[in-house]
Amino acid sequence: DAKTTQPTSMDCAEGRAANLPCNHSTISGNEYVYWYRQIHSQGPQYIIHGLKNNETNEMASLIITEDRKSSTLILPHATLRDTAVYYCIVRVVKGGADGLTFGKGTHLIIQP
Amino acid sequence: EAGVAQSPRYKIIEKRQSVAFWCNPISGHATLYWYQQILGQGPKLLIQFQNNGVVDDSQLPKDRFSAERLKGVDSTLKIQPAKLEDSAVYLCASSFMVAGVREQYFGPGTRLTVT
Repeated sequence: DAKTTQPTSMDCAEGRAANLPCNHSTISGNEYVYWYRQIHSQGPQYIIHGLKNNETNEMASLIITEDRKSSTLILPHATLRDTAVYYCIVRVVKGGADGLTFGKGTHLIIQP
Repeated sequence: EAGVAQSPRYKIIEKRQSVAFWCNPISGHATLYWYQQILGQGPKLLIQFQNNGVVDDSQLPKDRFSAERLKGVDSTLKIQPAKLEDSAVYLCASSFMVAGVREQYFGPGTRLTVT
């Protein structure tokens, strides 16, 4: 699986959009970009994933650059409950062995 | 829908003792994973089961760690004997395939402290 680079920490004001960047310059054509988050003392939670096109669900939007070397997770209206560690993971989607490889992620702190 | 259940939530043992963790996945999820998360790091996969068979245990320290999923539902992870460096949160996750994609659902974890 390709390596990802994320900032160690970020702050965002409550009610504003939180934009979390992820660099995955070595991504290959069949690798997807996944985002998970981990709120303190809880297990990780799936947020969204994408391959080429931008994706949106009830939690967030995922913007992937045209060359696929980077992406941005957008939380449109951040709340205090969005304070968590956010993990960007790049991996091939396949059957069989598909355990996730987590880095250190970005610690997002939402300020009141 | 009930989530992934794990017990106990906390465990403190002395080094060289044994410990076991239990996981009950979401009903119908054929795939089950155990991860180890050391403080300040992201989770690391230890083992993946598909039903009652092992798919990937390449990162499981087999000299002291063992895991089973005998009936393809519940799973147990054991450490025998424990070392100080085993202090971590042990996370269980389960998943099922939808449209070629497997989304993993994690339990709350068991926090192990080895003294």
